[in-house]
Amino acid sequence: SAVISQKPSRDICQRGTSLTIQCQVDSQVTMMFWYRQQPGQSLTLIATANQGSEATYESGFVIDKFPISRPNLTFSTLTVSNMSPEDSSIYLCSVRPRERISYNEQFFGPGTRLTVL
Amino acid sequence: GQSLEQPSEVTAVEGAIVQINCTYQTSGFYGLSWYQQHDGGAPTFLSYNGLDGLEETGRFSSFLSRSDSYGYLLLQELQMKDSASYFCAVYTGGFKTIFGAGTRLFVKA
Repeated sequence: SAVISQKPSRDICQRGTSLTIQCQVDSQVTMMFWYRQQPGQSLTLIATANQGSEATYESGFVIDKFPISRPNLTFSTLTVSNMSPEDSSIYLCSVRPRERISYNEQFFGPGTRLTVL
Repeated sequence: GQSLEQPSEVTAVEGAIVQINCTYQTSGFYGLSWYQQHDGGAPTFLSYNGLDGLEETGRFSSFLSRSDSYGYLLLQELQMKDSASYFCAVYTGGFKTIFGAGTRLFVKA
């Protein structure tokens, strides 16, 4: 299994500012993902972040808006830039440990609840 | 396009059995997963079906029919703590997983 922590757990920000969310995993993982979830709704993949390479963004998400860093196999950051109220959401970090690849099992962090005023 | 369809809401009584269906239409398919998420919590993995048939894990079972693009999650001996949202998710390959909109399960006493 993998234990994931995220910081901050929640934040209230002003529009036009940026917030960096940190994700720390208790073991080394190759595959790390960032999701967005509106309360009561589905999870939408923002990007896949592999150590040593540029993040791969899904349609509708761009690097200028959601820059991601992946400096090592246990840590990643997601920045939400130039925020607007539409960015208010829960942001989740997720990993797929190598030993669980055949089960397609992903572990999720507790999430960062972001409110933009 | 890619879509996963599951009921938005299901209500059942404690001790009963409930089935949550999921139909999918995706450009790639390697398997179907189920996740549970309590309010304010993180999604947690329940099961994965890569092949047709039934997988059983305690009170939970999951079924897949690839020919019908259909699967379901079966919860037996329902408990109040099973009240949560349940997401079906398709692994489409390229390490990418698409999630359904989720089914909110209410368990009544």
